[in-house]
Amino acid sequence: LLQEPGPGLVKPSETLSLTCSVSVGPITNRGFYWGWIRQPPGKGLQWIGSIYYSGSTFYNPSLKSRVMISVDTSRNQFSLKLTSVTAADTAVYFCARHPSGCKSCSWFDSWGQGTLVTVSS
Amino acid sequence: QSALTPPASVSGSPGQSITISCTGTTSDVGGYNYVSWYQQHPGKAPKLLIYEVRHRPSGVPDRFSASKSGNTASLTISGLQAEDEADYYCSSYTGSTTYVVFGGGTKLTVL
Repeated sequence: LLQEPGPGLVKPSETLSLTCSVSVGPITNRGFYWGWIRQPPGKGLQWIGSIYYSGSTFYNPSLKSRVMISVDTSRNQFSLKLTSVTAADTAVYFCARHPSGCKSCSWFDSWGQGTLVTVSS
Repeated sequence: QSALTPPASVSGSPGQSITISCTGTTSDVGGYNYVSWYQQHPGKAPKLLIYEVRHRPSGVPDRFSASKSGNTASLTISGLQAEDEADYYCSSYTGSTTYVVFGGGTKLTVL
């Protein structure tokens, strides 16, 4: 997976936007979900949400009100929007793939390189 | 917001074996056989080491093994090598709502 260069710096209350280009085959592969995971500096990982090529999404309840993940099958990409960001959203954001053979197949077997997004005025 | 509790750090000498544990609850580790382990070197993306408690993806050496007992999952690395020095994360399926949670990470130092 290849992550497009991100904005780097986003102001508080604005919207964070990131895109991931899928390099491991077609995003329409029915065998996978495509997800976003973030990691605040020096901290652990947090799953944000995932999407199927059909557009079906599921999100972390703690972020659901501010998150939208979309897919563009013509460009083999999927994207993340996180609204009303605060300093707590400062993190490295990873895109990743996980199997869709079962809803509980919650392991991520292919990752993008990560993009650091800092929220600051 | 890590729900899984691993040790903050472990260490071992080359050639030795170490075990990293990850304690959860009946709502995650204890309730499902969908525990995964990841290795992350500084500045890099995590790499999947183990899925479904004990299964290794193709290309992961058999020096890495894992198991689960009750609410605790464990990752064992045998024959420690210098390149094993990294952070290790456990994760578990938690049901259809929250979906997946990760542990806080364990820093492995190879002495």
